[in-house]
Amino acid sequence: QQQVKQSPQSLIVQKGGISIINCAYENTAFDYFPWYQQFPGKGPALLIAIRPDVSEKKEGRFTISFNKSAKQFSLHIMDSQPGDSATYFCAASKGGGGSNYKLTFGKGTLLTVNP
Amino acid sequence: DGGITQSPKYLFRKEGQNVTLSCEQNLNHDAMYWYRQDPGQGLRLIYYSQIVNDFQKGDIAEGYSVSREKKESFPLTVTSAQKNPTAFYLCASRAAGIASGNTIYFGEGSWLTVV
Repeated sequence: QQQVKQSPQSLIVQKGGISIINCAYENTAFDYFPWYQQFPGKGPALLIAIRPDVSEKKEGRFTISFNKSAKQFSLHIMDSQPGDSATYFCAASKGGGGSNYKLTFGKGTLLTVNP
Repeated sequence: DGGITQSPKYLFRKEGQNVTLSCEQNLNHDAMYWYRQDPGQGLRLIYYSQIVNDFQKGDIAEGYSVSREKKESFPLTVTSAQKNPTAFYLCASRAAGIASGNTIYFGEGSWLTVV
């Protein structure tokens, strides 16, 4: 049972273009949706996160769009740069930081930005 | 520097051997996690611990064991019962409590290969 489904598996974008990665979740109890960025051989690092009380959150060139009714959220990378080439993971959690708090991850999207 | 230190970075295991991956954090975080990463599979939770001397199984705990004798340490043992241990292993931590937020921080990972 895959609780967070991520697509596409891989994405190639030209420099300056928009990269869009989508995720869908099943558990309506999820209340925190982060995106992580991972470079080869490194651990993932938090990029941006959103809670379901807002429909969009923007930080620099990175934007999360959230659709609660559709149980979907997406990451948009504007003006994509070669340095953005990495694997991106969406995730979801519930519990607000309680004793059983844990993140469930999507399978990841390998983004390549061509110069 | 504050952070999560995993060691060794690369480890080779012979068939039938147990090996232990070290994870130390100096962030004063209460919660610690072990994830396994395989190509195209995302991050899957092995074990997690919210407090010292307590831990819970994640989604793929079979063939693994952990201990949490100190707040800053959460070693993972990959036993001979784990039939397919070759993977990238990630340790993570989080400050407990709703007020601390939900951010999970990752270490740099350890590569385990069966030879």
